[in-house]
Amino acid sequence: AQSVTQLDSHVSVSEGTPVLLRCNYSSSYSPSLFWYVQHPNKGLQLLLKYTSAATLVKGINGFEAEFKKSETSFHLTKPSAHMSDAAEYFCVVKDSSYKLIFGSGTRLLVRP
Amino acid sequence: NAGVTQTPKFQVLKTGQSMTLQCAQDMNHNSMYWYRQDPGMGLRLIYYSASEGTTDKGEVPNGYNVSRLNKREFSLRLESAAPSQTSVYFCATTTGDYSGNTIYFGEGSWLTVV
Repeated sequence: AQSVTQLDSHVSVSEGTPVLLRCNYSSSYSPSLFWYVQHPNKGLQLLLKYTSAATLVKGINGFEAEFKKSETSFHLTKPSAHMSDAAEYFCVVKDSSYKLIFGSGTRLLVRP
Repeated sequence: NAGVTQTPKFQVLKTGQSMTLQCAQDMNHNSMYWYRQDPGMGLRLIYYSASEGTTDKGEVPNGYNVSRLNKREFSLRLESAAPSQTSVYFCATTTGDYSGNTIYFGEGSWLTVV
């Protein structure tokens, strides 16, 4: 069975410092993995996705993630946080079926 | 979120009332989903439709019914609303069963049951 674990419910960083949001997955198949961002009272916007091509994936707004099969991880990083990055982030796994499995989310707080 | 439209955006219901959430997409996608989002629990799948004419239960289907009216539209019905169904509901679509297809979400529908 598939599952996704986001290891931190909240992450707080200072503006200009690096961001690391952690995600581990479990899947019997070769999954596709996604990161989505949700700003308050808004829908979900795709940041990036991994689909078995390059293991280092670059997304929008300076975010990137690295797929590590040996560690079953897909952590999201950004070199320098902006105030506008404050939001909730979701890691999502999808295998060859139609179902999407969401992590419980990580709320990113950015301090001035 | 262009291309996936949900209505209504906000709704307050009394316990026992019924209502239907509508979702329409103009991206010619085959697969459509309904999720609910509750604090600290991420998004949980209620029902999905792999293609026109088919629907399947997800993780939390109790208290809901769905209709895939045509390729564009996928509605979610609450027959007798309960306070436990207070949530934010999201419709989503994707092209098909290839795992790498991007999933597109609507803006959400905020439902309160009192």
